[in-house]
Amino acid sequence: GQQLNQSPQSMFIQEGEDVSMNCTSSSIFNTWLWYKQDPGEGPVLLIALYKAGELTSNGRLTAQFGITRKDSFLNISASIPSDVGIYFCAGPSGSARQLTFGSGTQLTVLP
Amino acid sequence: EAGVVQSPRYKIIEKKQPVAFWCNPISGHNTLYWYLQNLGQGPELLIRYENEEAVDDSQLPKDRFSAERLKGVDSTLKIQPAELGDSAVYLCASSGSTTPGTQYFGPGTRLLVL
Repeated sequence: GQQLNQSPQSMFIQEGEDVSMNCTSSSIFNTWLWYKQDPGEGPVLLIALYKAGELTSNGRLTAQFGITRKDSFLNISASIPSDVGIYFCAGPSGSARQLTFGSGTQLTVLP
Repeated sequence: EAGVVQSPRYKIIEKKQPVAFWCNPISGHNTLYWYLQNLGQGPELLIRYENEEAVDDSQLPKDRFSAERLKGVDSTLKIQPAELGDSAVYLCASSGSTTPGTQYFGPGTRLLVL
């Protein structure tokens, strides 16, 4: 089946720094989704990308759908303590209703 | 608008006992999913419903797991009997017809099998 390779696996950054993480696939996706999961909670949708080359922002978050349709990245600017959590990329596969998830990037923001 | 609701939030049982999880999707969402999430990993699909029909259950261990969505709204996932390796988070998600690839998740049920 399709696999998503997400990197880095974990990040430790200082508050106020910018963060970048990415996701790559060996096959094409028509949609890229970025989720954040806080401890003890389910994943929360941050940004959805539906078109190759699309650049979408949600507050301090910006995500891009790669031109090749095989990658996507997520940037967080001016990080704050509440950005701590696990960030997952995901894309629909199969019938377009089954999501494949990356393994996640664990973000820690140090004060 | 209310999000996906799941209960219970936490469950601790002994192995070989049965357990059931409940999910109420976002109103109007016809598609409902059950996912399994192990520690340090992303969610993995167990079963997908379109209304009351299970259309993708290839990853569901059918010897001990069962699910139903009788009226096409709420859903129940059951494990009988539970094994130690079933300890994980069970997530429910739903999606609507306009953006079928965009799924919204509930808070999950954290299961610990002793």
